[in-house]
Amino acid sequence: QKEVEQNSGPLSVPEGAIASLNCTYSDRGSQSFFWYRQYSGKSPELIMFIYSNGDKEDGRFTAQLNKASQYVSLLIRDSQPSDSATYLCAVILGNQFYFGTGTSLTVIP
Amino acid sequence: ETGVTQTPRHLVMGMTNKKSLKCEQHLGHNAMYWYKQSAKKPLELMFVYNFKEQTENNSVPSRFSPECPNSSHLFLHLHTLQPEDSALYLCASSQDRGPYEQYFGPGTRLTVT
Repeated sequence: QKEVEQNSGPLSVPEGAIASLNCTYSDRGSQSFFWYRQYSGKSPELIMFIYSNGDKEDGRFTAQLNKASQYVSLLIRDSQPSDSATYLCAVILGNQFYFGTGTSLTVIP
Repeated sequence: ETGVTQTPRHLVMGMTNKKSLKCEQHLGHNAMYWYKQSAKKPLELMFVYNFKEQTENNSVPSRFSPECPNSSHLFLHLHTLQPEDSALYLCASSQDRGPYEQYFGPGTRLTVT
């Protein structure tokens, strides 16, 4: 079983809608959770991190963590075409950083 | 300059060439990483340095040779590569080798012919 799993997509949403991206992880001991955005041909850019159960909001982005169910999600409100990218989930277990394969999001104008 | 920089941004090399990738971080971090990103695959961690000492080598072939002269600079020396080594090579840094977020450089797009 992979440490971090994401639906590769592509996920398409209309402009202005809420995009919901999900990530599951295999180890209950995982401590820290990150969302990165990667535009085509560019490097990953950190957009959110969350350590505690519940929601964390930053502008149009909300990260949700549920340790009991071992998932972390990213909600993007009022999606914009500029949000079209691949979103990578990353999980830290001990000192190891595990990345998912990413979910491709397309926001349709 | 700020953040994490990498040079060159693009590199085409033959299988018999020797080249080096350079990474520099201006964040005052102590840990630096090399990743390989191939199409449709997760990021693959190659090497980790913490306080200039190599702490991990994830079964990377010896044709890749890292060097970390100080906490701000990281190199990846390449020799006798194979076409399947063509990928995006990303450098990252973090405060320390631990539960800290990593910041990535722009990457070097490597093509081996």
